[in-house]
Formats: sequence, structure tokens, C-alpha cells
Amino acid sequence: GAVVSQHPSWVICKSGTSVKIECRSLDFQATTMFWYRQFPKQSLMLMATSNEGSKATYEQGVEKDKFLINHASLTLSTLTVTSAHPEDSSFYICSAIPTSGRASSTDTQYFGPGTRLTVL
Amino acid sequence: AQTVTQSQPEMSVQEAETVTLSCTYDTSESNYYLFWYKQPPSRQMILVIRQEAYKQQNATENRFSVNFQKAAKSFSLKISDSQLGDTAMYFCAFNNAGNNRKLIWGLGTSLAVNP
Repeated sequence: GAVVSQHPSWVICKSGTSVKIECRSLDFQATTMFWYRQFPKQSLMLMATSNEGSKATYEQGVEKDKFLINHASLTLSTLTVTSAHPEDSSFYICSAIPTSGRASSTDTQYFGPGTRLTVL
Repeated sequence: AQTVTQSQPEMSVQEAETVTLSCTYDTSESNYYLFWYKQPPSRQMILVIRQEAYKQQNATENRFSVNFQKAAKSFSLKISDSQLGDTAMYFCAFNNAGNNRKLIWGLGTSLAVNP
């Protein structure tokens, strides 16, 4: 249980184009999802908290107009990188917290497999 | 400030032996949750073990166990009978109970299990 998928697993795009990454909780509902960015051999950097039915909360220094987050349902959050540039190339990971279920699971983040974005 | 410190950037262990990864944290909250995640070369982040701060009993999951010392704010991970598949980056993290639930992460320990 507690499976999270991401699509696509990798994407290559040209500079100036937009890219959408989907994050889905497959066997549970998630009111809250998180988007992270990870550079090689480093820890995860939280970009934003995605809340179903409301605006995302962005971490300091993250451009909300560049990284658009939509959490339209209890199982899907999307991250759109607008006007991507080479410096946006990175590994993006989402996570989700079960809305209900065992008490121990509702405080635990379950992670997707990540999306590698390369901007040429 | 809330922080997590993993003082061992890299470690190695022989297959079938036991290894302990250290983690200390700092928070002023009284109710929180502690986690160990592993990230193998595939980069899929996998939950290894979870500990509620209000529980004195150390959590165990098969070959994985923790030594939770709340007063010392220490949360080490012991891996018994190490297997080649345990080779991964291990991250220690915690979140405060409540609506926020954002994770505070350590920098990770790279563990290599040698045959």
C-alpha cells in the first residue's frame, strides 16, 4: 500500500517551453502533497506544499509563477515548470500523505519515483 | 532552528555484518515523528522505519531497528545482517505533529555494503 506514481519519469525539453509533471497517489487519498527538488548527491529541497482545493504554499526563494502547482483532486497534484531554462534541470520528487487510514500513516510522506528534467 | 545532523557522510559494511548510522536532531516541539528513508541508486525514496516521539519503545522493522534517545535528541538506525540491496543513501528526517507535517532532512549517509 501507499504507492505514489510520477509521470513522466524523465523529460527533455527545449529552453523556453513548459513541462508538466504529474504526481498520483494510487491506493490512497491525499489532501496534502509535497514537491521537492534534488541535486546530485544532495538532500531533498522542499519547493512547495500542495493542498487539495487550495493554493499551494511555496518555500522561500521558490518562484511560484515559474513552478505552478495544481492539486485538483485527492489523488493528483501537478507541477508545471513554465518557460524552462537549463538551470531548471534537476530531479523532481513528489510525496503524499494519506488523508485517512492507520494513524501512523497520516503523518508519513510516501514518495514517487521522481522525474528527471533536462532543459536544453 | 529545527535541524537534523547526520555526522557520517559515508560508511561501508561487509555483507551480513551490522552497521549503525547516527542521527541527531534539534526541535523545541514535544510531539513529533522521526523517520529513516533510504534512496537506492534508482533514486526512489523508500520509508525504512518510523518512530513516534511519545513512544519510549524503539521501533523495529525486520532487520532495521532504531535507538531513540529523546533527551539526547538522538535517533540512530541499526541495520543487522546487511545485504547488498541495503546499499543506498540513508536520510534521517522528522516532522512536527499537526497540520504542517513538513519534513526536516539531514544531509544523508551513503552506505555501501560490500560482498
